[in-house]
Amino acid sequence: AQTIHQWPVAEIKAVGSPLSLGCTIKGKSSPNLYWYWQATGGTLQQLFYSITVGQVESVVQLNLSASRPKDDQFILSTEKLLLSHSGFYLCAWSLGGRQDTQYFGPGTRLLVL
Amino acid sequence: QQQVRQSPQSLTVWEGETAILNCSYEDSTFNYFPWYQQFPGEGPALLISIRSVSDKKEDGRFTIFFNKREKKLSLHITDSQPGDSATYFCAAKSSNTNKVVFGTGTRLQVLP
Repeated sequence: AQTIHQWPVAEIKAVGSPLSLGCTIKGKSSPNLYWYWQATGGTLQQLFYSITVGQVESVVQLNLSASRPKDDQFILSTEKLLLSHSGFYLCAWSLGGRQDTQYFGPGTRLLVL
Repeated sequence: QQQVRQSPQSLTVWEGETAILNCSYEDSTFNYFPWYQQFPGEGPALLISIRSVSDKKEDGRFTIFFNKREKKLSLHITDSQPGDSATYFCAAKSSNTNKVVFGTGTRLQVLP
């Protein structure tokens, strides 16, 4: 069975500080991976997706960057946090190809002060 | 530009009633429509999905009705239970892209 793990569970950070959020998928080889951002009470906004190691496509940057250093790992980061970065960050995976269904992780809650 | 719209924004029904959640879209290339259920503080969970070649998809108490001509979908939850109280998101995707657009969400409350 596939499992998706996100870390940390929650973060409180200062404006201007760096950030790194992680996501790991176990039990599935070469998945497509995705990052989403969700404002409190809001919809989900797709940020990035990756179909293979080392390749990341940006959908909406929001002054964030993403990397895929390993087949099962997806990292979201920024060097300088903004107040507007607060929210819920969700990682998702899919099989890719004609398999369109995305499965979400538990999320990371971020509060920027 | 919001390409996927949902209504109502919030909905309250009594236990046992049928809840109807609506979704509409603009991009005619969308051909896959998943519905997700999200509880507070959790990631969304896939509830049911439909492809544009079908006009209806049923899974237990959950049914999607799809009208391709009008670019509209609806999710019907029959015999609603208090445990169904959550936010429901309609999403849309084209098979030739990895981009997914989520709707604005409907917050459902089922009263016992």
